[in-house]
Amino acid sequence: AQKITQTQPGMFVQEKEAVTLDCTYDTSDQSYGLFWYKQPSSGEMIFLIYQGSYDEQNATEGRYSLNFQKARKSANLVISASQLGDSAMYFCAMDSSYKLIFGSGTRLLVRP
Amino acid sequence: NAGVMQNPRHLVRRRGQEARLRCSPMKGHSHVYWYRQLPEEGLKFMVYLQKENIIDESGMPKERFSAEFPKEGPSILRIQQVVRGDSAAYFCASSPQPGPSSGNTIYFGEGSWLTVV
Repeated sequence: AQKITQTQPGMFVQEKEAVTLDCTYDTSDQSYGLFWYKQPSSGEMIFLIYQGSYDEQNATEGRYSLNFQKARKSANLVISASQLGDSAMYFCAMDSSYKLIFGSGTRLLVRP
Repeated sequence: NAGVMQNPRHLVRRRGQEARLRCSPMKGHSHVYWYRQLPEEGLKFMVYLQKENIIDESGMPKERFSAEFPKEGPSILRIQQVVRGDSAAYFCASSPQPGPSSGNTIYFGEGSWLTVV
């Protein structure tokens, strides 16, 4: 069965520094997708970035990049130049047929 | 271009009452999904519906929970005889194709927060 593991319940980062949020996954599928979502205190789920298992290059979206290491089954999110508005919960997810399987999340706090 | 609309945003129910949560998918989307988020946890899949059909309800509790997506109108998640453990955020999502096939092809609503007192 597919599984997403986020081992960091909480993280701190200084404003303007980079931070890496860890995500490992388990699947027997050959083709799959990995997603990162941000959930601020207001509660909505904001899509950040996507990586397909056959994509040769790591995905990037502005200050977000995904460090995809297929052999290690990891899909870490890197946020560069952290901003105060980046303080939120971050969820890694994987598609399983038509569902998304979510990890338990990492709470990121950006310090001024 | 309205996104996925959920209402109510916040709902308080006493134990034993019924809760009805509504979801209007994005225009042109015929695939709707419901997820539940318990406090301090990630989202858990509940049910996947297409118009007038339940495709997969493997994540739905066996009792008290039901979902529908009629030909006309929003999708409804109904919880009968609510208990305190039902307190959670309920997210609806929609997509133009089945599932999050790639990238940003599944769109989440802002969630409905149910509190059972």
